[in-house]
Amino acid sequence: SYELTQPPSVSVSPGQTARITCSGDALTNQYAYWYQQKPGQAPILVIYKDSERPSGIPERFSGSSSGTTVTLTISGVQAEDEADYYCQSADTSGVYPVVFGGGTKLTVL
Amino acid sequence: EVQLVESGGGLVKPGGSLRLSCAASGFALSSYAMNWVRQAPGKGLEWVSSISSSGSYIYYTDSVKGRFTISRDSAKNSLFLQMNSLRAEDTALYYCARDPYGDRASDYWGQGTLVTVSS
Repeated sequence: SYELTQPPSVSVSPGQTARITCSGDALTNQYAYWYQQKPGQAPILVIYKDSERPSGIPERFSGSSSGTTVTLTISGVQAEDEADYYCQSADTSGVYPVVFGGGTKLTVL
Repeated sequence: EVQLVESGGGLVKPGGSLRLSCAASGFALSSYAMNWVRQAPGKGLEWVSSISSSGSYIYYTDSVKGRFTISRDSAKNSLFLQMNSLRAEDTALYYCARDPYGDRASDYWGQGTLVTVSS
């Protein structure tokens, strides 16, 4: 299937580590991307190609991949990290659908 | 500085048409693939369409095939989305986004233009 599954919500206290998972069969042979979206704002790319961090994104954001699951990890969570996070599968061949996960609301307690 | 500014959204009746524009600055649009992504009110992101840097490869999500047309004008450094036979379910904020990877993911996004399909 070409669905990506994310937990609807994750809650952590400031300074702790947040892990947001994204699962789907497509991820075995396609890169995953992660976007952060705050209310009323456009998405921002925080991780590309599973684990690469764009310039300007804090080092506390990291990504990893294992089989059909990718994980966005935010170490030392700060209040400003509270947002919705979306994973996306990518495809260079033009054969496979490109899909987003349903999104995860990260709450900083 | 990379900037993307969408325009052309508005209120349209079911069955109507709209043409969205996306003006790019800070980079040559002709050097990049580009994407349209939409977000229905209170919902998640949905990829809609992509065009390769050359314009030779074009992709659509199934629900808009035959109704939407993506195009680009290098001279104007702009991206377009012609939307025909609009349906209520097309109501969303439409974002244009730059794809430097050639795999329909995006690094920079505009602020979006709102399309509302309602009678």
